[in-house]
Amino acid sequence: DAKTTQPTSMDCAEGRAANLPCNHSTISGNEYVYWYRQIHSQGPQYIIHGLKNNETNEMASLIITEDRKSSTLILPHATLRDTAVYYCIVRVGNTGNQFYFGTGTSLTVIP
Amino acid sequence: DTEVTQTPKHLVMGMTNKKSLKCEQHMGHRAMYWYKQKAKKPPELMFVYSYEKLSINESVPSRFSPECPNSSLLNLHLHALQPEDSALYLCASSRYSENTGELFFGEGSRLTVL
Repeated sequence: DAKTTQPTSMDCAEGRAANLPCNHSTISGNEYVYWYRQIHSQGPQYIIHGLKNNETNEMASLIITEDRKSSTLILPHATLRDTAVYYCIVRVGNTGNQFYFGTGTSLTVIP
Repeated sequence: DTEVTQTPKHLVMGMTNKKSLKCEQHMGHRAMYWYKQKAKKPPELMFVYSYEKLSINESVPSRFSPECPNSSLLNLHLHALQPEDSALYLCASSRYSENTGELFFGEGSRLTVL
């Protein structure tokens, strides 16, 4: 039931911005986009979420297109510790309690 | 306290054994989840409990039996499992009926079925 598609893998140079894209072309008007990351065999870690406006927190920025069919997670200054699998998730369901993970992007930050 | 605690961290069991995985949170969350994750794959949703009632079962085989004895605890009872059930089992919680609340995950229980 995944509603998102992401590139399988990406590389990013340390200190540069990492831009991770996600397509969610079937998203409904009241469904939020969430981003999580998972560092090898640990529990997924929440990064950021948004509905239609761009969002920023201490970890990342989330840019959502005006038609809401895609979004980009931006890590402004990637470090080696940002190497992880990044998942884009659309939260669905009448009560918003269904989080279905997409296939994720494996980000490798290169020294 | 923003933690979801899962026990045990590792479990090895035979196909005829009965065991349980446990999950606990004290954030006042009223939605709790079980996910299964195979190696190099994304987490797959198994069950969702809302206000201690099972609200979603993603067609999970009956050898997996969830239980939510109270708002802080979630169990997953395991019986007659198969080797292909070996995986990382993740528990999560979130606020209920609130579209902006995120999932908080535990570190998982790694299950090996021999």
